[in-house]
Amino acid sequence: DAGITQSPRHKVTETGTPVTLRCHQTENHRYMYWYRQDPGHGLRLIHYSYGVKDTDKGEVSDGYSVSRSKTEDFLLTLESATSSQTSVYFCAISGDGNEKLFFGSGTQLSVL
Amino acid sequence: AQKITQTQPGMFVQEKEAVTLDCTYDTSDPSYGLFWYKQPSSGEMIFLIYQGSYDQQNATEGRYSLNFQKARKSANLVISASQLGDSAMYFCAMRGYPGGGADGLTFGKGTHLIIQP
Repeated sequence: DAGITQSPRHKVTETGTPVTLRCHQTENHRYMYWYRQDPGHGLRLIHYSYGVKDTDKGEVSDGYSVSRSKTEDFLLTLESATSSQTSVYFCAISGDGNEKLFFGSGTQLSVL
Repeated sequence: AQKITQTQPGMFVQEKEAVTLDCTYDTSDPSYGLFWYKQPSSGEMIFLIYQGSYDQQNATEGRYSLNFQKARKSANLVISASQLGDSAMYFCAMRGYPGGGADGLTFGKGTHLIIQP
């Protein structure tokens, strides 16, 4: 199994509070991704990174920011959480950007 | 941009029967890859099979095969001799290769497969 750790695994927070989710990989893969999964929508790309300090927006990036200061860590921040951001968040990695994605175990986030 | 359509929200299949999960796609990229993932109730995403758009033969991985019909833009997953453990959500996904495909995979909405004993 690919070495991907997401933290926390579960989080409950209140509307308007900042939240940061962490993805840590031990595979030294260049590409990292954040997806959200919602019923009836499948997985949708939030942001991705193609190297240290190199990031770009995905399909549903509004309300989210990311940072990648080290190859192994990719952080997803909700500056001011809203109830619409209640979701399961998956981190994924890829070696050269053309291969399959390996996924973390996911973070269940509830915004009340 | 790519689009994946999975038209079967849910399916019930008897154990040991073969299963076909439908997937159609749309892309303007000249080269692309198609993927299937399985998500059991525990939540993890498990890679099943990959098909490149220029591959001459349909991909197979054990009991999984991908019925790739390029002219119809379809990439159906076939599971032979289904088992109770095949009950899960199944996602079809793709990426285009105009510039390396670094921006991840585009996923369909998934099909919830339930295998009945």
